[in-house]
Amino acid sequence: AQSVTQPDIHITVSEGASLELRCNYSYGATPYLFWYVQSPGQGLQLLLKYFSGDTLVQGIKGFEAEFKRSQSSFNLRKPSVHWSDAAEYFCAVGATSGTYKYIFGTGTRLKVLA
Amino acid sequence: EAQVTQNPRYLITVTGKKLTVTCSQNMNHEYMSWYRQDPGLGLRQIYYSMNVEVTDKGDVPEGYKVSRKEKRNFPLILESPSPNQTSLYFCASKSAGRTDTQYFGPGTRLTVL
Repeated sequence: AQSVTQPDIHITVSEGASLELRCNYSYGATPYLFWYVQSPGQGLQLLLKYFSGDTLVQGIKGFEAEFKRSQSSFNLRKPSVHWSDAAEYFCAVGATSGTYKYIFGTGTRLKVLA
Repeated sequence: EAQVTQNPRYLITVTGKKLTVTCSQNMNHEYMSWYRQDPGLGLRQIYYSMNVEVTDKGDVPEGYKVSRKEKRNFPLILESPSPNQTSLYFCASKSAGRTDTQYFGPGTRLTVL
């Protein structure tokens, strides 16, 4: 069965510092992988996605993520965090065949210190 | 403007009183889905629909019903709400491709007393 683990419930970083949010998945093959951001009181917005090809994926707002098959990971990174990046971040997987279900992780809440 | 709309945005109801949360999209998307978001549990998929008259269960379908009679609408029905259905609900839509981006509505906060 598919599953997604985001081991960090909360992360606090200082503005300007680098950021890495962890995501590990369990799936029989390489799934489709997504990162979403949810700002307070808002719906979710797609940051980036991976489905094939280059394992380093660029997204919006200066985010990138790297797919590592050997580690079943899809970690999200940003070189320099801005105060406006404070939000909750969700990793998700989608099946490459069969079911059209999507599985989301439990989320990581990011706090940015001025 | 391309968007997914949900109504109502906030709802307080009592146990057992049937309710419907509407979802509508103006992007001609084939795929629509409902999720619930609970603290510490992230988003969990309730139901999804690949097209008109085609629906399938997500991971937490118990206590919910859906219908897809028109392409743009995908209402979520709680026939007999219970307090454990108190949650934040999101509707989403996307095109048919597996890698297509899901667009989320603003959410409906439901409280069942």
